[in-house]
Amino acid sequence: EAGVTQFPSHSVIEKGQTVTLRCDPISGHDNLYWYRRVMGKEIKFLLHFVKESKQDESGMPNNRFLAERTGGTYSTLKVQPAELEDSGVYFCASSQAVGRVSYGYTFGSGTRLTVV
Amino acid sequence: AQKITQTQPGMFVQEKEAVTLDCTYDTSDPSYGLFWYKQPSSGEMIFLIYQGSYDQQNATEGRYSLNFQKARKSANLVISASQLGDSAMYFCAMRERSTGNQFYFGTGTSLTVIP
Repeated sequence: EAGVTQFPSHSVIEKGQTVTLRCDPISGHDNLYWYRRVMGKEIKFLLHFVKESKQDESGMPNNRFLAERTGGTYSTLKVQPAELEDSGVYFCASSQAVGRVSYGYTFGSGTRLTVV
Repeated sequence: AQKITQTQPGMFVQEKEAVTLDCTYDTSDPSYGLFWYKQPSSGEMIFLIYQGSYDQQNATEGRYSLNFQKARKSANLVISASQLGDSAMYFCAMRERSTGNQFYFGTGTSLTVIP
């Protein structure tokens, strides 16, 4: 089974530009999550999709970030306009089941975003 | 307040020796799960081991074991017989029943295994 795939693996953009990150979850996984790690800090939750609906977007830092999951398959995370503090590694994860604390995710390899 | 604390930014261990990576957590929820993930230089997050708050015994998975001390709210990862391939970032994480599906992560510990 293919894992969680993220594109691109690296992105370097100038401040003020727009960047779109993509995540392809494991087929059949209704739950999709975005996380972010700013250098040297902890990995922080951004949002959670159940199919195409946003279940929890409490971690989204501001309205420059827009996440979508059309059709409940892959998801995109757009940053517009990008600021220097948006630099970090963006992780996507997916899971089939929810509700029990023992359920883990499958993570992707992340997209390293550098805003210069 | 930080829910997961990893106080060791970097650790070194001699090959074939054991190493303990520290993790303390903060929660008032009686039902929670603790996880350790490994992130090698390739970037993917690899699940290593899980411990539930109601589990009576410490979790073990091959060379990985979790030293769970509930009263002290610590969940240290022990890697026995370290191998060069163990060099990576290690993240401790927690899920709480009360906060649903969100994971809380620590800042990570970078482990380097020395030949």
